[in-house]
Amino acid sequence: NAGVTQTPKFRVLKTGQSMTLLCAQDMNHEYMYWYRQDPGMGLRLIHYSVGEGTTAKGEVPDGYNVSRLKKQNFLLGLESAAPSQTSVYFCASSYGGDTDTQYFGPGTRLTVL
Amino acid sequence: GQNIDQPTEMTATEGAIVQINCTYQTSGFNGLFWYQQHAGEAPTFLSYNVLDGLEEKGRFSSFLSRSKGYSYLLLKEIQMKDSASYLCAALDSNDQLIWGAGTKLIIKP
Repeated sequence: NAGVTQTPKFRVLKTGQSMTLLCAQDMNHEYMYWYRQDPGMGLRLIHYSVGEGTTAKGEVPDGYNVSRLKKQNFLLGLESAAPSQTSVYFCASSYGGDTDTQYFGPGTRLTVL
Repeated sequence: GQNIDQPTEMTATEGAIVQINCTYQTSGFNGLFWYQQHAGEAPTFLSYNVLDGLEEKGRFSSFLSRSKGYSYLLLKEIQMKDSASYLCAALDSNDQLIWGAGTKLIIKP
């Protein structure tokens, strides 16, 4: 089992460019999450999904969109990147929601110039 | 507001015992997680406490006091490979996870 995978691992964007981060899990988990991690701050939830075809906003959703067309995939989109979106992005999945252990992907380090 | 407090950084010597504290203020409480995160890597699950008391798992133990809004992670006989950040996260009554900023543990030989 690969667990949770993320692509790409690194990316540099110019302000205004768009991109999509892909997260895939092979554990048949219902719940999937996108977080960002910034120095000196805790993980902040961007969006999450409680099952195929569903998405919901987290703590910091502005500037991001998500889609969960297939159970195993959760996509995070940035339509018009801004320097404030420079961060490390982690995807996670769990079987039973927040009360259950979350399994994290290796992260994507994004720099917006 | 909801808040998690943990020390930013701790330093210890190899072989020592280290206690990393975490205090939380949440709207209701449904449990507390500890995760380990090595530099440049993903967080990995260490423990989950929902009842008061100490839970031991090998060299790592986690303690919870619900009445005090307090938890700690105890690392025994620390090794260089334990150099990492330790993240505390509390579940509120809506089962939303509130994450602390993490405690960076620096281990000296």
